[in-house]
Amino acid sequence: SQQGEEDPQALSIQEGENATMNCSYKTSINNLQWYRQNSGRGLVHLILIRSNEREKHSGRLRVTLDTSKKSSSLLITASRAADTASYFCATDSAEWGYNKLIFGAGTRLAVHP
Amino acid sequence: GAVVSQHPSRVICKSGTSVKIECRSLDFQATTMFWYRQFPKQSLMLMATSNEGSKATYEQGVEKDKFLINHASLTLSTLTVTSAHPEDSSFYICSAYRQGTYNEQFFGPGTRLTVL
Repeated sequence: SQQGEEDPQALSIQEGENATMNCSYKTSINNLQWYRQNSGRGLVHLILIRSNEREKHSGRLRVTLDTSKKSSSLLITASRAADTASYFCATDSAEWGYNKLIFGAGTRLAVHP
Repeated sequence: GAVVSQHPSRVICKSGTSVKIECRSLDFQATTMFWYRQFPKQSLMLMATSNEGSKATYEQGVEKDKFLINHASLTLSTLTVTSAHPEDSSFYICSAYRQGTYNEQFFGPGTRLTVL
C-alpha cells in the first residue's frame, strides 16, 4: 500500500525556474526520503530528513518536513533539463518495522530548455 | 554509495513460464533486501521483504506461491515469477539494506519483465 499522496502529479516548467513538489503521509514516521527516477531506470537517493528535523539542504535541493501536517516538500532551484524525472518521497515508520520504505505516488517533472 | 545490481535488466518470456531475477549487493552484506513492483507511470509498490536465511515476508495481496523469494546468502536475493502471465509484466526493483546506517537502502537498476 502507499503511504500517501504527492502533488502535483505532473509539473512542467522552464529551465531556470524553481520546482516544488509536495508529499503527504498518513502515519507517524522516523524518516522521510526523496528519490529521483529517470524514465525506466532505478532510483537515485536525493536526501533524507529525520522526523526531528524541519529543513535540510543539499546543493540545489531544499527539503522541509512538517510532522504536524504530515507533509514534506522538495524544492529544486534553478532547474535544468537534466532534472526531468519522476520524484518520489518514501517514509519509514516504527509502525511497520523491518526498515520498510513506503513510497508516495510521485511527481513527474518536465523541465523544458 | 553502495552498489546493488540486478540481472537480467530486461527479459521477455512466454505466458506460463517462470522467470528468475537476481539482486546482488556488490560491496556490502545485506541481511535484508526488498522487492518492489512498478507499473508504468505509477509508484513503487513493496512486494516483500527478503531476509537472509529465513522466509520472506510478503505484503498483503502478494501471492507468495506466485512470487518466490530466496535469500540464500548475504549478497544475493532472487525473485522467481512462476507461471508468468501478461499481467505480471512490470518493472521489478530490488533494494538492499546496509547494516550500520539508519534505514539506508540501496536500489538496483530494475528489471523490465514482459510476458507475451
